[in-house]
Amino acid sequence: EADIYQTPRYLVIGTGKKITLECSQTMGHDKMYWYQQDPGMELHLIHYSYGVNSTEKGDLSSESTVSRIRTEHFPLTLESARPSHTSQYLCASSEGMDTIYFGEGSWLTVV
Amino acid sequence: KNQVEQSPQSLIILEGKNCTLQCNYTVSPFSNLRWYKQDTGRGPVSLTIMTFSENTKSNGRYTATLDADTKQSSLHITASQLSDSASYICVVSDRGSTLGRLYFGRGTQLTVWP
Repeated sequence: EADIYQTPRYLVIGTGKKITLECSQTMGHDKMYWYQQDPGMELHLIHYSYGVNSTEKGDLSSESTVSRIRTEHFPLTLESARPSHTSQYLCASSEGMDTIYFGEGSWLTVV
Repeated sequence: KNQVEQSPQSLIILEGKNCTLQCNYTVSPFSNLRWYKQDTGRGPVSLTIMTFSENTKSNGRYTATLDADTKQSSLHITASQLSDSASYICVVSDRGSTLGRLYFGRGTQLTVWP
C-alpha cells in the first residue's frame, strides 16, 4: 500500500482564485512528480523533483509552480486559476528507477 | 518520436472470462515497461514492471509479457472479476536521462459484466 497522500481530493473554485494542492509521502522517496490527466487521456508530467530544493518543469507546459522544502512534501500552486486548469492532478513518488507510487489524485474544477 | 500505443481502447467481457490487452511502443533506448491499473477517480496502482531481460512477469491473475525485439507487451487477465473493471495503462521508461523519462499510453478501459 502506497503511503502518498493528496488533498483536497475534490475542489471547485472560481476563476482567478489561488489554489495549492498538497502532496505528502512517508516513504522517504527522493523523487516526486506531478502529473495532469484529463479523462480518457494519458498522464502528462508537469513538474518533478529529485530532492529537497530541486524542482524542474516537465513535458507539459503548466502555469503552476511547485516547491520542495522538505523531502516528504511537494505542493503544487496555481496563482490564478482558469477554467482551462480543470483537470485531475496526480502526485507520485519513487526511489530510483523502481515502482512509482501514485496518490489518489486531486480533481480540480475551475468555474 | 517516443510513443506508447495501447489496444483496444475499450473492452467489455463477462465475469470469469480471460482477456489480453496490448501495448506497442517506440521508446528508445528502452529501460523498463510497467503496467498500471487505474480505477475510476483514483490514482494508478502498479501491477508489474519488466526490464529488457524479462519476458514475462505475473502478479496473481495478471500476467505481463514483453518482447523487446518487436517492442510489444501484453497484459493477460485470467478469470476476470467485477473488480477488474478499470483502465489499464502501459508505461515505458527510457534510460536516456537521469530521470528515466516515462511515456504513458492512453490506457485500455476494461469493463467486466456479471
